[in-house]
Amino acid sequence: DGGITQSPKYLFRKEGQNVTLSCEQNLNHDAMYWYRQDPGQGLRLIYYSQIVNDFQKGDIAEGYSVSREKKESFPLTVTSAQKNPTAFYLCATRQTGTYEQYFGPGTRLTVT
Amino acid sequence: ELKVEQNPLFLSMQEGKNYTIYCNYSTTSDRLYWYRQDPGKSLESLFVLLSNGAVKQEGRLMASLDTKARLSTLHITAAVHDLSATYFCAVAVSGGGSNYKLTFGKGTLLTVNP
Repeated sequence: DGGITQSPKYLFRKEGQNVTLSCEQNLNHDAMYWYRQDPGQGLRLIYYSQIVNDFQKGDIAEGYSVSREKKESFPLTVTSAQKNPTAFYLCATRQTGTYEQYFGPGTRLTVT
Repeated sequence: ELKVEQNPLFLSMQEGKNYTIYCNYSTTSDRLYWYRQDPGKSLESLFVLLSNGAVKQEGRLMASLDTKARLSTLHITAAVHDLSATYFCAVAVSGGGSNYKLTFGKGTLLTVNP
């Protein structure tokens, strides 16, 4: 069963706690992306990675961190430094040399 | 900084009618994407437009790209209720090398009424 999995679907945390969102893919795609979506808004890019052990900041990287130790996995940590972490987080992948980005099902994070 | 503007942001239309969603962007790009999002769901790719003058059609939706005007349109023909969703355009900019990143518009919430 190929695709992109994000877990969990819903995540609740207390303010001040770090939380890690999972993104796993078995599409053998090289590039992976993390986006954030707020209600009534478009997606904003947090981080992206073209290859293993390399990643770049997107437009809103402050308060987030990522790692890319394996091609299949690109976890996102939302740190306590992120002032407004409650949002819908979407992971996407793309194969090098192609133009399509494929999106995972998303994780809805609520921080209270 | 690249800006992507969609209009209208909200669109309520009757079944059977035609309408167009517009996507303007502020910097040079030759790659534009249209996505659909249903409430609480992820994004579904509709079209990838790769060159000036590109036109793609799928069912009741047709997308076009004018890179000189920095404008893309998504035209809806004879709308049906199943088309109710939020539609996003996104513009690609180079992130260096073969990489690129997408900048999204705020989306158009389309409601098709019987």
